[in-house]
Amino acid sequence: DAKTTQPPSMDCAEGRAANLPCNHSTISGNEYVYWYRQIHSQGPQYIIHGLKNNETNEMASLIITEDRKSSTLILPHATLRDTAVYYCIVSANDSGGGADGLTFGKGTHLIIQP
Amino acid sequence: DTAVSQTPKYLVTQMGNDKSIKCEQNLGHDTMYWYKQDSKKFLKIMFSYNNKELIINETVPNRFSPKSPDKAHLNLHINSLELGDSAVYFCASSLSRGQETQYFGPGTRLLVL
Repeated sequence: DAKTTQPPSMDCAEGRAANLPCNHSTISGNEYVYWYRQIHSQGPQYIIHGLKNNETNEMASLIITEDRKSSTLILPHATLRDTAVYYCIVSANDSGGGADGLTFGKGTHLIIQP
Repeated sequence: DTAVSQTPKYLVTQMGNDKSIKCEQNLGHDTMYWYKQDSKKFLKIMFSYNNKELIINETVPNRFSPKSPDKAHLNLHINSLELGDSAVYFCASSLSRGQETQYFGPGTRLLVL
């Protein structure tokens, strides 16, 4: 089961910042927060990840609270092409047992409105 | 160049048939995966494969068997196809085992009639 909680859907106006929240209150000290998105009919796409500090790349920013129990993915200037399902995933990023891989939850369906 | 590619993109077949889906990655990654996305859009890991070590999700039927001719390829063979196998199958790769920065292929849409 996914260890994160996300709102099922969100709307955002084109050109505005999209802020996607994620709760991961049971996160362990060695677990990272990962964000992926899946645009309709495509494979999931890696966006960003972080452990404790805030992170920024060319796609997005990731803000992790000090207690690490929640995080926010920020798309600074949303475009119509950002409409997708966004998944927040916590993972230890090591070679622990099981099939490895990512455990996807239901994600947030972000709809960018023109 | 496509980093992770899959063929075919669409596959329609009859129940009971045996089929294969191919996956290739040109990223030089050591680990490859197969995921299944069902009609409810849930994505679940099926296998991970690293340096000839296969890790199987315990819920995957043994009709499914991944085969890796080399590090860049991980094919998925499915025997005796069932209606419930209809889904989208995604291949992915990562630099090494346990690395969760994964790169996904475009998916293979399997429909079993």
